[in-house]
Amino acid sequence: EVQLVESGGGLVQPGGSLRLSCAASGFTFNNYWMSWVRQAPGKGLEWVANIKQDGSEMYSVDSVKGRFTISRDNAKNSLYLQMNSLRAEDTAVYYCARAAKGWFDPWGQGTLVTVSS
Amino acid sequence: QSALTQPRSVSGSPGQSVTISCTGTSSDVGGYNSVSWYQQHPGKAPKLMIYDVSKRPSGVPDRFSGSKSGNTASLTISGLQAEDEADYYCCSYAGSYTFNWVFGGGTKLTVL
Repeated sequence: EVQLVESGGGLVQPGGSLRLSCAASGFTFNNYWMSWVRQAPGKGLEWVANIKQDGSEMYSVDSVKGRFTISRDNAKNSLYLQMNSLRAEDTAVYYCARAAKGWFDPWGQGTLVTVSS
Repeated sequence: QSALTQPRSVSGSPGQSVTISCTGTSSDVGGYNSVSWYQQHPGKAPKLMIYDVSKRPSGVPDRFSGSKSGNTASLTISGLQAEDEADYYCCSYAGSYTFNWVFGGGTKLTVL
């Protein structure tokens, strides 16, 4: 069974940092692009970042450029999101998702990040 | 990059059909055949329902269908069932050198 399990969310003060992790199982991790997608409370989905199979290409939405870094460790079947200089507007559930050629499937259960003083 | 435009809510009775629209631009929906649709029940993760405009993943009922005309994509759910009540999101590749993806604002489907 393909499974993605996120961890690392929590409460952090504005300006702080947090590192999210996503453990993948049930598929050949290094064959797929991987993504982070977030959802603010009561709001819609927002694509955050993608990373290529070998980590050589990374892309992110403009609002997180220079603050968030996506990375992966294929030996550990793991995806990461390093989040620095966090703002209140970054408060959201962050989902890890396997990215196929034109879609996201499956998704993890999500991890909540709350940025507040 | 602006979000794709979806109606905030739609409704239908069991057995009826409903269609959810998703309007973008020639830079996203109209420019690529990479439109996907996701179903999200409260407190749950999104689930892929349609990809590449009109393809259904294994396990998704054929009551769900997708199409596209110009800059607008559509998700049609026929033979509505109570368990179809959920939020639905469209998503499109938005291209450009930054390899963007853009989602719609979401549509709440109510089964009356």
